[in-house]
Amino acid sequence: DGGITQSPKYLFRKEGQNVTLSCEQNLNHDAMYWYRQDPGQGLRLIYYSQIVNDFQKGDIAEGYSVSREKKESFPLTVTSAQKNPTAFYLCASSNIDGYTFGSGTRLTVV
Amino acid sequence: GESVGLHLPTLSVQEGDNSIINCAYSNSASDYFIWYKQESGKGPQFIIDIRSNMDKRQGQRVTVLLNKTVKHLSLQIAATQPGDSAVYFCAENKGGGADGLTFGKGTHLIIQP
Repeated sequence: DGGITQSPKYLFRKEGQNVTLSCEQNLNHDAMYWYRQDPGQGLRLIYYSQIVNDFQKGDIAEGYSVSREKKESFPLTVTSAQKNPTAFYLCASSNIDGYTFGSGTRLTVV
Repeated sequence: GESVGLHLPTLSVQEGDNSIINCAYSNSASDYFIWYKQESGKGPQFIIDIRSNMDKRQGQRVTVLLNKTVKHLSLQIAATQPGDSAVYFCAENKGGGADGLTFGKGTHLIIQP
């Protein structure tokens, strides 16, 4: 079955450490996205990529970085510059038929 | 501020009743709208979508209504079941490009037995 996989499901990191969240899709979608969700809130766009080797900042890109070296993969790095990194992170991909979301990674920084 | 929002953070309904969840948007250029269902700890699950050239679309037990005059979107769930309990988000895609969705804050639908 085609789908989008995020790993790990839960991630704990110490404050000041960078951490990379994985997102892989086998849907052959050109576009991929990273969203952040805080409790009781909607999703907010961090970064997106419409094609390999290209990506754009979303609404809340500060403190995050991404790469898109392969069509299937869009890893997100949460850097030490991100002031409040604890959140639920969702990856998505899309084509003309619509969007597909992963099951999310819950990052907790202690 | 947010482009898309929902009127109520929580909606409580009796099992078997119909539910109506509302959403207001402010961007007239938005041409594609989606309703998602999100259960605790999971990613959003697609429910139904509608394009701006339509005012109504029906799925299985769900109907989405779009009123472009007042920039209002609603999701109707018929004969609500316990499994419908979740947070429901509306989202908009401005201009049809692959530049991401803008989400509202969500309505938590609670089903009472």
